[in-house]
Amino acid sequence: SQELEQSPQSLIVQEGKNLTINCTSSKTLYGLYWYKQKYGEGLIFLMMLQKGGEEKSHEKITAKLDEKKQQSSLHITASQPSHAGIYLCGADIDYGQNFVFGPGTRLSVLP
Amino acid sequence: NAGVTQTPKFRVLKTGQSMTLLCAQDMNHEYMYWYRQDPGMGLRLIHYSVGEGTTAKGEVPDGYNVSRLKKQNFLLGLESAAPSQTSVYFCASRGQAAGGQPQHFGDGTRLSIL
Repeated sequence: SQELEQSPQSLIVQEGKNLTINCTSSKTLYGLYWYKQKYGEGLIFLMMLQKGGEEKSHEKITAKLDEKKQQSSLHITASQPSHAGIYLCGADIDYGQNFVFGPGTRLSVLP
Repeated sequence: NAGVTQTPKFRVLKTGQSMTLLCAQDMNHEYMYWYRQDPGMGLRLIHYSVGEGTTAKGEVPDGYNVSRLKKQNFLLGLESAAPSQTSVYFCASRGQAAGGQPQHFGDGTRLSIL
């Protein structure tokens, strides 16, 4: 599905650096979810955003949803090797009857 | 608390064989989903269910069938496996749809079709 786009596709950063991953839709999102997937494992829920302008933080990860509810960003501060993995955004569409994921952003953090 | 459990974890099939993947959740969730994950394609929704006895098609339903006879179980069937169905399959569940509950995922089933 191309309903959600993510950028960049992959990212390699040095430990301690900040980074941002973006998720964009051409449609209004009724719920935007961020997940992390470690290689070969299942998805772990990070955060959920519903309201335009909403911002949530957990430890060193902050997610924002823009006012139009069409773009979200995930920001990691002072990255660590434990942050490495694939980050996926997902969204409710069609008033919650269907769900789509973005293609994912592969993050590597070099020690 | 088991959450979402998928069985089996790995399976190798020959083209034309059939099999069923089982997903079980112990959270009394109404909604359940089956996805496949392929390199470069992300997660794509195969089928989903909004409650016991109901199923609906997702983005890539062809070649798969599902059943939700019990609320806690969601079965994914391949009647005649094809090499194009080689993938990692994930099951997920959640309490409700739009309204802000996240999906909880199983650990996946790695399926290879020879």
